[in-house]
Amino acid sequence: AQTVTQSQPEMSVQEAETVTLSCTYDTSENNYYLFWYKQPPSRQMILVIRQEAYKQQNATENRFSVNFQKAAKSFSLKISDSQLGDTAMYFCAFMKQAGTYKYIFGTGTRLKVLA
Amino acid sequence: DAGITQSPRHKVTETGTPVTLRCHQTENHRYMYWYRQDPGHGLRLIHYSYGVKDTDKGEVSDGYSVSRSKTEDFLLTLESATSSQTSVYFCAITRDREVEDYGYTFGSGTRLTVV
Repeated sequence: AQTVTQSQPEMSVQEAETVTLSCTYDTSENNYYLFWYKQPPSRQMILVIRQEAYKQQNATENRFSVNFQKAAKSFSLKISDSQLGDTAMYFCAFMKQAGTYKYIFGTGTRLKVLA
Repeated sequence: DAGITQSPRHKVTETGTPVTLRCHQTENHRYMYWYRQDPGHGLRLIHYSYGVKDTDKGEVSDGYSVSRSKTEDFLLTLESATSSQTSVYFCAITRDREVEDYGYTFGSGTRLTVV
């Protein structure tokens, strides 16, 4: 069975600074997908970034990038130039490539961006 | 993005009463999911569906049932609500495997309180 661990329940960062959220996972699968979702106070779940395990290149989306270390089973999210609107709960999620596309979520990291 | 709506957005119910939550999609997506979100647990899968009348259990299915009689609707029923089922419930859909993007689209969630 797969597991996803987010070891930082809460973090804070100054506006315009850079912050890294950690995520580790355990799986015996070779092909899978990893995701970061953002949940602001509105409760809406928003896809931030996605990484395919077969791609060595780290995914980037504007100010968001990941450090994907497949051998170490690590998938951290880096937020550059943090903005007040980045204040949210962030969830890491794992999905096997084949099957019924079920997600395994981590427990989340609550990020607060300070003015 | 595919349209997905959940109803109701909030509900308070008494212990022992039946409750049905509705998820409705306006696209023709095959896969639909029900998750519950609790502090310290992230999101956990309750049930999912891979087609009309095709459903299966997730990791926290006890006390819940589902039905999918039409592609667009996926219902979650708590047969006899208990206080441990107080939670935020999310419905999600995803496109089929032929599409590159495997991210979920989430509904806006239902906050259920069982008193």
